[in-house]
Amino acid sequence: EVQLVESGGGLVKPGWSLRLSCAASGFTFSTYSMTWVRQAPGKGLEWVSSISTRSTYIYYGDSVKGRFTISRDDAQSSLYLQMNSLRAEDTAVYYCAKGTSYNWKVFDFWGQGVLVTVSS
Amino acid sequence: DLVMTQTPLSLSVTPGQPASISCKSSQSLLHSDGKTYLSWYLQKPGQSPQLLIYEVSSRFSGVPDRFSGSGSGTDFTLKISRVEAEDVGVYYCMQCLHLPPRFGQGTKVEIK
Repeated sequence: EVQLVESGGGLVKPGWSLRLSCAASGFTFSTYSMTWVRQAPGKGLEWVSSISTRSTYIYYGDSVKGRFTISRDDAQSSLYLQMNSLRAEDTAVYYCAKGTSYNWKVFDFWGQGVLVTVSS
Repeated sequence: DLVMTQTPLSLSVTPGQPASISCKSSQSLLHSDGKTYLSWYLQKPGQSPQLLIYEVSSRFSGVPDRFSGSGSGTDFTLKISRVEAEDVGVYYCMQCLHLPPRFGQGTKVEIK
């Protein structure tokens, strides 16, 4: 059974940093692209960042480019999102999602999400 | 920037009746490989999103056949042939051809 478990969220002040983790199990992590998607309170879904297998390709949304860094550790079957210079508008539930074998932009399994709150 | 527009934004449906959601893209989602990269997700209340449909009309594993997707180019439709109580939630279309991947605003489906 595929499982994605996010952790690392919390309440931080503007300008602070936070590192999210996503522990994966139930599939061969190293062979799939992975993605972070976020959802601000009461709002829709926003793609944040994706990383291909072997970290060959990395993509970011414009709203986080230059501030967030996605990475993966295949030995640990884990995905990370380092978030720096956090802003109030980064407040959201962050989901880790697995890409399919046929399209990395189709997300077939999602974690339960982790809440990040940026507030002074 | 590519824009995904869903209509309606909310829908109230009697159980057993059909429902339909439209999704329009500001750019064609047809790839040179012949495939069209449009997906549908459902986010049930209090849950994470779940994949329903990919490549316009392919149902993901385990998705009931009352869900169907259709369309081409820039205009797409998700249909539920007979809505059940468990189908409530917010439905999102998502274009997965261009960068960045982009979701529609979401359509909230409720039961009458």
